[in-house]
Amino acid sequence: RKEVEQDPGPFNVPEGATVAFNCTYSNSASQSFFWYRQDCRKEPKLLMSVYSSGNEDGRFTAQLNRASQYISLLIRDSKLSDSATYLCVVNRVGNAGNMLTFGGGTRLMVKP
Amino acid sequence: EPEVTQTPSHQVTQMGQEVILRCVPISNHLYFYWYRQILGQKVEFLVSFYNNEISEKSEIFDDQFSVERPDGSNFTLKIRSTKLEDSAMYFCASSRREAMDTEAFFGQGTRLTVV
Repeated sequence: RKEVEQDPGPFNVPEGATVAFNCTYSNSASQSFFWYRQDCRKEPKLLMSVYSSGNEDGRFTAQLNRASQYISLLIRDSKLSDSATYLCVVNRVGNAGNMLTFGGGTRLMVKP
Repeated sequence: EPEVTQTPSHQVTQMGQEVILRCVPISNHLYFYWYRQILGQKVEFLVSFYNNEISEKSEIFDDQFSVERPDGSNFTLKIRSTKLEDSAMYFCASSRREAMDTEAFFGQGTRLTVV
């Protein structure tokens, strides 16, 4: 089983749509969770950290369900500029520093 | 805004040759990392580095790989004898502290092509 699993997509949505991505992780001892965004052939950039209580940043909402080992990202009112690959990332317990484990990413394409 | 810088942006090398990928982490960061991404695949951890020594490495980071912080600003990844399967984008990253919720900042990457 992959450590961090995501639906690769692509998700093709019109501008203004709401879209949700899901991610599962296999290591129940994982402690820190993130969504990163990666544009084509560019570096990953942190979109938001994910906390157990859920958190929101503008149009973006992240949720964590530790019991199900499941992370989600909701994007409301999609913009053309949201088109990218969204990476679910987990930092495992016991690692020295940020040894991030990446999912394969979910590709989002927002169309006019 | 401070950023991690990597050079070169693209390196082409012949199989069996040594390559050195260079990174300048953000100046007040203490933890440094190398990741790689083979085209079309996920980002994979290679190694983390703190206080002038490797703190963790993955199974990918075998004896062909080494890292060094030769001075106060640079952080390098050396591949001694490149193989075709080393072709990938290599990302350097740095973070301020060890806490697991600390953001890691990535450089723009070096695309390594082994021919």
